Amino acid sequence: DAMVIQNPRYQVTQFGKPVTLSCSQTLNHNVMYWYQQKSSQAPKLLFHYYDKDFNNEADTPDNFQSRRPNTSFCFLDIRSPGLGDAAMYLCATSRVLQGGGIFGPGTRLTVL
Amino acid sequence: GENVEQHPSTLSVQEGDSAVIKCTYSDSASNYFPWYKQELGKGPQLIIDIRSNVGEKKDQRIAVTLNKTAKHFSLHITETQPEDSAVYFCAAGPDYGQNFVFGPGTRLSVLP
Repeated sequence: DAMVIQNPRYQVTQFGKPVTLSCSQTLNHNVMYWYQQKSSQAPKLLFHYYDKDFNNEADTPDNFQSRRPNTSFCFLDIRSPGLGDAAMYLCATSRVLQGGGIFGPGTRLTVL
Repeated sequence: GENVEQHPSTLSVQEGDSAVIKCTYSDSASNYFPWYKQELGKGPQLIIDIRSNVGEKKDQRIAVTLNKTAKHFSLHITETQPEDSAVYFCAAGPDYGQNFVFGPGTRLSVLP
């Protein structure tokens, strides 16, 4: 089945230790997104790729970076995680002009 | 930028009753309004969406209405079932991709 896959599902890191979360999709969607969702809050868009074009939300901290080496994969890098970065990180994909897309199951990040 | 409000924040209904969740948005340029259902530990799932050229859309037990003049839109779930229990998010934004703003969410509990 076509889907959005996130790995790992649970990630524990130490304060300040870089971490990378991955997302892959078999839908051949041209847009991929990363969201941060803290407990009992709505998902907050961090950035998205439209094909290879990177679009950063204005309030996304510089500590968060992303890479999209090809259509199928997208990575979220957190360079120096702080305690406030503990959250669920959601990847989503869509086709432009086709509305709401498909979310992955998320990676829950714990920062010790 | 867009601001989306959502009410109520929690809603409990008896199985078989109807549930209504209401949202308002601020940006008159928004023309795409999706609704997502998020179950515990899972990513959000698109359940229905509506565009500004349509006033109402229905899919089995779920319907969405849009009043663009008043900047209101609502989700209606009829004949609720326990499996409808989840957090529901409305969103609003431009009609491309997933660059929309989420409301804060409504936790729906359907009591057997």
